[in-house]
Amino acid sequence: EIVLTQSPATLSLSPGERATLSCRASQSVSAYLAWYQQKPGQAPRLVIYDASNRATGIPARFSGSGSGTDFTLTISSLEPEDFAVYYCQQRSDWPPSYTFGQGTKLEIK
Amino acid sequence: EVQLVQSGAEVKKPGESLKISCKASGYRFTTYWIGWVRQMPGKGLEWMGIIYPDDSDTRYSPSFQGQVSFSADKSINTAYLLWRSLRASDTAIYYCVRHSDGLNYFEFWGQGTLVTVSS
Repeated sequence: EIVLTQSPATLSLSPGERATLSCRASQSVSAYLAWYQQKPGQAPRLVIYDASNRATGIPARFSGSGSGTDFTLTISSLEPEDFAVYYCQQRSDWPPSYTFGQGTKLEIK
Repeated sequence: EVQLVQSGAEVKKPGESLKISCKASGYRFTTYWIGWVRQMPGKGLEWMGIIYPDDSDTRYSPSFQGQVSFSADKSINTAYLLWRSLRASDTAIYYCVRHSDGLNYFEFWGQGTLVTVSS
């Protein structure tokens, strides 16, 4: 099973700052990497898919990069509504299997 | 607009059975895989498995194989997650998700169903 390790566990930043979240896979996942945002009491929401594509309705300040085993989610200038927990997720080939990272909590400093 | 609307919160006793639902709208129900994701209290996300509503082809995560089952009713665009005998450790929020075209990610999420199992 592929393990995804996210870092840091918690990131404390102020609005307007740049956020960089990391996701490392135990083996190559090609570009099958997605990012989700989850706010308290809400379902997760897709933010980035296939490593670098923004989902519908996601602002341009969100960007994703990486391939193979190392991936990054960047938020260029934090807005108050961006503070949440972010999860990365990968898919293995057929039969399909999916794993999530343990999450990074992005909190207001 | 794609929507997944899940059934309401449940409180059950250990050993009881339970079926929760996920009603889909805004797309052709039979042509996208539906998955289930568990989130235990204060914890992260765990993929449980998927079902293809057109023929009920099902794949379970090894962690959940034999613990739950999935079904789907095409006539009412609804997917189900079933337990035959609940345990306290099943206490969690359960999300249904609609997979993307290529099955790579979870494109749409239901609002979640909180299941509490307590004696």
